[in-house]
Amino acid sequence: NAGVTQTPKFRVLKTGQSMTLLCAQDMNHEYMYWYRQDPGMGLRLIHYSVGEGTTAKGEVPDGYNVSRLKKQNFLLGLESAAPSQTSVYFCASRLDFEQYFGPGTRLTVT
Amino acid sequence: RKEVEQDPGPFNVPEGATVAFNCTYSNSASQSFFWYRQDCRKEPKLLMSVYSSGNEDGRFTAQLNRASQYISLLIRDSKLSDSATYLCVTFKGAAGNKLTFGGGTRVLVKP
Repeated sequence: NAGVTQTPKFRVLKTGQSMTLLCAQDMNHEYMYWYRQDPGMGLRLIHYSVGEGTTAKGEVPDGYNVSRLKKQNFLLGLESAAPSQTSVYFCASRLDFEQYFGPGTRLTVT
Repeated sequence: RKEVEQDPGPFNVPEGATVAFNCTYSNSASQSFFWYRQDCRKEPKLLMSVYSSGNEDGRFTAQLNRASQYISLLIRDSKLSDSATYLCVTFKGAAGNKLTFGGGTRVLVKP
């Protein structure tokens, strides 16, 4: 099992550009999550999904959109990147109480 | 106020010593509690669950005090490899079935 994978690992964007982060899990988990982690702020939940075809907002959803068209994939989109979105993005999936995280995507917006 | 609060540290610990730290949570509806470990520039991973009666996993002991709404983690005989950030995590079944993470406590074990 690959577990939770994220693509890409690193990306540099210019302000106003768009991009999509891909998260994939091969554990058949229903729940999937997108977080951002910034120094001194801890993990903050952006959006989450409780199953295929469903999405919901977390604490910091503004500027992001998500889709869960297939159970194993959870996509995070930035339509118009801003420097404030420079962060490390973690995807996670959950079975019961254990949450499995992907390795992260380091995004810099200049 | 954050829902889960932790002392960010760092806790500088001599190798072989014992270190303990707490976290407090504000939502009394929280049902389950965990400690996650995060190494520098890596993803968080589950270290252990925290049970009301207290539980041990090797050199790690976790305690829960529901009345005072805090959780503790104690590490005995600290190893250099214990250097990491420890994240306190709560879970409540409603409200989207999601975990709430504290900001983490950084532990540095030195020779």
